[in-house]
Amino acid sequence: AQRVTQPEKLLSVFKGAPVELKCNYSYSGSPELFWYVQYSRQRLQLLLRHISRESIKGFTADLNKGETSFHLKKPFAQEEDSAMYYCALKVGSQGNLIFGKGTKLSVKP
Amino acid sequence: DGGITQSPKYLFRKEGQNVTLSCEQNLNHDAMYWYRQDPGQGLRLIYYSQIVNDFQKGDIAEGYSVSREKKESFPLTVTSAQKNPTAFYLCASSINSNTEAFFGQGTRLTVV
Repeated sequence: AQRVTQPEKLLSVFKGAPVELKCNYSYSGSPELFWYVQYSRQRLQLLLRHISRESIKGFTADLNKGETSFHLKKPFAQEEDSAMYYCALKVGSQGNLIFGKGTKLSVKP
Repeated sequence: DGGITQSPKYLFRKEGQNVTLSCEQNLNHDAMYWYRQDPGQGLRLIYYSQIVNDFQKGDIAEGYSVSREKKESFPLTVTSAQKNPTAFYLCASSINSNTEAFFGQGTRLTVV
């Protein structure tokens, strides 16, 4: 079955602390994974995609096929990183996205 | 501000009534999608359309209908058959199935 699991509903860290938002997936094909972010009162937007292998706003995510994971990491969290984060898996030729249930990141001053 | 626009932002409906949510994009995107977002549930795909005059059911299409008569528009009708329609609805579009999806601001539907 195709599935994306984000085990943490809420993650709370202090400013300057490292942060890791976990994402695991289940998919028999070749996975294409994304992280989307939704800041308060803003629309959902793409943060990064694994095929780009880029760092956006200090965040990185590495696809680990052995562990079927795509965890999002940032070495030093900032207050403006507080948002809802969704991991998503693209499936099939239609390119539909399957989303995880999301993790709310709260960065305290 | 170009992009993808959903209207209205808030919508109230009496139980038993159909209601249509608007989604318009001026990005010249071929693909459009409707998702439903519930607290603790993430986003679930309702319907999608890869090209004009064609659309496919997603994971939770029951009680919903769509049309794609124009490239720019992909309205979603929530029918009285939808058992639990109160939710936040998100529309998205992408150039094609292989590119990034852009999301609208969403419509919060409340059935009273």
